[in-house]
Amino acid sequence: DTAVSQTPKYLVTQMGNDKSIKCEQNLGHDTMYWYKQDSKKFLKIMFSYNNKELIINETVPNRFSPKSPDKAHLNLHINSLELGDSAVYFCASSQLILNTEAFFGQGTRLTVV
Amino acid sequence: GENVEQHPSTLSVQEGDSAVIKCTYSDSASNYFPWYKQELGKRPQLIIDIRSNVGEKKDQRIAVTLNKTAKHFSLHITETQPEDSAVYFCAASGAAGNKLTFGGGTRVLVKP
Repeated sequence: DTAVSQTPKYLVTQMGNDKSIKCEQNLGHDTMYWYKQDSKKFLKIMFSYNNKELIINETVPNRFSPKSPDKAHLNLHINSLELGDSAVYFCASSQLILNTEAFFGQGTRLTVV
Repeated sequence: GENVEQHPSTLSVQEGDSAVIKCTYSDSASNYFPWYKQELGKRPQLIIDIRSNVGEKKDQRIAVTLNKTAKHFSLHITETQPEDSAVYFCAASGAAGNKLTFGGGTRVLVKP
């Protein structure tokens, strides 16, 4: 069973469109994250949710809106996509209290044309 | 907030040689330091981690050392093999909501 799964794996879309990426974890973790990996491979945190509540919101444009319907799911909705949003987006989860390993999803490669 | 710097950005070694990657962190409250390996087109995966109450940890060919006073930690890979070729990330957490802050990554190439 896949521990952290995100869909879709690839997403190609035009500028100005709105798109969503879904993430689910079956590890029973209480914390989920979205990371952005740019073309230079730099991994930067975007958001973190603990038990459905937003606890970290880095400097991310308002066009990005995360939603956590329950602690096993964290979706990312992006409005008015721009060329600079092209990147690989990784979902991850961990157990916050224990401060332990974060498990990553397989990534979603978003290409905005 | 936490800032993690990682060096070198690229590292080319001959098969069988050792590879060392170094990281520094800024927040003295950080207490968990994992290392992730990311193969081409794959997700980052944990290879080893260390907590601030330990100075060194080893797992087969990989080892990590931590110097809390100097706020730096290092990854050592001995007897490198071609399958060690990947991008390696150090990270630190423990402060500010326990988010993992990553270093910039080191692309390691092991030449046969």
